[in-house]
Amino acid sequence: NSKVIQTPRYLVKGQGQKAKMRCIPEKGHPVVFWYQQNKNNEFKFLINFQNQEVLQQIDMTEKRFSAECPSNSPCSLEIQSSEAGDSALYLCASSPGHSGNTLYFGEGSRLIVV
Amino acid sequence: GEKVEQHESTLSVREGDSAVINCTYTDTASSYFPWYKQEAGKSLHFVIDIRSNVDRKQSQRLIVLLDKKAKRFSLHITATQPEDSAIYFCAASRGSNNRIFFGDGTQLVVKP
Repeated sequence: NSKVIQTPRYLVKGQGQKAKMRCIPEKGHPVVFWYQQNKNNEFKFLINFQNQEVLQQIDMTEKRFSAECPSNSPCSLEIQSSEAGDSALYLCASSPGHSGNTLYFGEGSRLIVV
Repeated sequence: GEKVEQHESTLSVREGDSAVINCTYTDTASSYFPWYKQEAGKSLHFVIDIRSNVDRKQSQRLIVLLDKKAKRFSLHITATQPEDSAIYFCAASRGSNNRIFFGDGTQLVVKP
C-alpha cells in the first residue's frame, strides 16, 4: 500500500470549474513531484517541490495551475479553470531527496472534465 | 529536453520464460534510470533502478542493463510469473531532484 496519500481519488468537474487535489507525502520525504498521466499512459511532468520551494515547473503549470506544499499541511495542485484536455490521472510522488531520487507514488486523483 | 523511448508497446511471454523491455534515451547527462510497474487500475510501483556508475544490476528475478555509449537500457525479467503482468515504464533523470522522464510503457502479458 502506498504511503503517499492522495485525495480525492476521483473528481468530476465542468469546464471552467476549479479542480483541487491534495497529497500527503511519505513521512520524511522533503521532495514532492506532480505528474499528469493521460489515457495513452503518457506522463507529463507538472511541478516539483523541495520542502515548500518550487524546484521546476512547466509553462502550463505556471499559467493555469497553482500548486503548493506548505509546511505541516498537505501539498495541493489546483487547476484554476478546467478544460476537457485536463481529464487525466494526476499522480503525486515523494522522494527522500537523496542523489537517486527514487519516486514513491500515490494512488492518484482521476479528474474527469465534462 | 530528455526523450525516453520504449521500443515494445506490448510483450507477451509464456510463464517461466524471460521478458526483455528495451529503452533508449537522448540526454547524455542522464545518470539515473528507474523502472516502474503499473497494474490495472493502480498507481506506479518502483521495481528497480540503475545508476550510470554501473552497467548491470540484479535484484532477484530482475536484471537491468545500461549501455551509456548507445544510450540504451533494458529490463530483463527471468522466470516470469502471471503476477508479473502489468505495464512497465522505464525512465531517465539527471539525478538529484531533477524531473524524471518516462517512456510510454510496455504492456507485459505473462500467459500461464
